Amino acid sequence: QITLKESGPTLVKPTQTLTLTCTFSGFSLSTSGVGVGWIRQPPGKALEWLALIYWDDDKRYSPSLKSRLTITKDTSKNQVVLTMTNMDPVDTATYYCAHRLDLAAAVYFDYWGQGTLVTVSS
Amino acid sequence: VIWMTQSPSLLSASTGDRVTISCRMSQGISSYLAWYQQKPGKAPELLIYAASTLQSGVPSRFSGSGSGTDFTLTISCLQSEDFATYYCQQYYSFPLFGPGTKVDIK
Repeated sequence: QITLKESGPTLVKPTQTLTLTCTFSGFSLSTSGVGVGWIRQPPGKALEWLALIYWDDDKRYSPSLKSRLTITKDTSKNQVVLTMTNMDPVDTATYYCAHRLDLAAAVYFDYWGQGTLVTVSS
Repeated sequence: VIWMTQSPSLLSASTGDRVTISCRMSQGISSYLAWYQQKPGKAPELLIYAASTLQSGVPSRFSGSGSGTDFTLTISCLQSEDFATYYCQQYYSFPLFGPGTKVDIK
């Protein structure tokens, strides 16, 4: 049974760096084909993909946010960490981590965490 | 950058209705498309991937079709638990979600 859970601060100040942790179970990020991604959703708005890390440490980022994002993994702890620098009120959103469906080169997300709401405000 | 549109943005329907949601791309993406359902306060759930493959555990009243630039999600007989927001997601160079279609009660 695959589960994922996000953790991190609920409130950050503008210009600060956000660090979110995804702790998962039911799969290993050392297994070929496995990937974990981050997706966010501002209140009342659509989903936005942020980043993805693969079992082989290949990393992919949203082109529009690439300069602000870093994704890393700790295979021994079953964790994926996302950092986002220079936070702004427009970054207020629910942040989800999700398991990538292992299907050739495509990226779809078949298991999601419950999400964590991050508010950016002074 | 590929542009995505979904239509309609809001769909009012009754239980038992056949419902169709469209997702259109600005350029062809082969069959690299998924559909998700999201209920208020919950994470999205994968319904369909590779344009027409039903995710395990998803009821057969959901189906997907299309390739290239035009895709469709069909719910053959709307149930009460299907009132939700639906998102398409393409994967051509990177994952990109559509703006969503809210299905509410007529």
